[in-house]
Amino acid sequence: NAGVTQTPKFRILKIGQSMTLQCTQDMNHNYMYWYRQDPGMGLKLIYYSVGAGITDKGEVPNGYNVSRSTTEDFPLRLELAAPSQTSVYFCASSYSAGHQHFGDGTRLSIL
Amino acid sequence: GDSVTQMEGPVTLSEEAFLTINCTYTATGYPSLFWYVQYPGEGLQLLLKATKADDKGSNKGFEATYRKETTSFHLEKGSVQVSDSAVYFCALPNSGGSNYKLTFGKGTLLTVNP
Repeated sequence: NAGVTQTPKFRILKIGQSMTLQCTQDMNHNYMYWYRQDPGMGLKLIYYSVGAGITDKGEVPNGYNVSRSTTEDFPLRLELAAPSQTSVYFCASSYSAGHQHFGDGTRLSIL
Repeated sequence: GDSVTQMEGPVTLSEEAFLTINCTYTATGYPSLFWYVQYPGEGLQLLLKATKADDKGSNKGFEATYRKETTSFHLEKGSVQVSDSAVYFCALPNSGGSNYKLTFGKGTLLTVNP
């Protein structure tokens, strides 16, 4: 049982490039989330999904897009990368309220 | 709105010292409460939870008691180890129909020295 798997683990982008952060879960959870964690800071919710085909904005959605075509996958797309998007990105999933399962994160630097 | 206020860090302790990390919350009703832990280089993982007032959650020697009178959920451990060095987050579900979303505290970095 792999849980929540994120790829890649590390990435360096140039300003203006785009990329997709992959997230997949094998627990058949309906709820999935994307967070960013800036150095020394807490978590900020970027986007979330309550099921396949349904997504919604969190606190800090600008500059990002998501899709949820299957229960398992919830990719996060960065368009026109900016230095302010340098962060650690975490994907999480949950079956019910409270207990979220996290991936190990993608460490993204934009130079 | 719902909020969590967590003790500012960093906290540095010697091995076998007593640990307390304070957490207070503002919420409608009596939500479940959670402590998550993030070890270096990893994602968050659930450490313990309490689902109703006066419940005590416990795991790996850590405990936290849900106190509705003081709206608190302080994390404690009687004797910390070097392996407990991590960031600790207090969290509660959003109220109303979006309780699958969590509000996290800002996190408290704990460093335990041998």
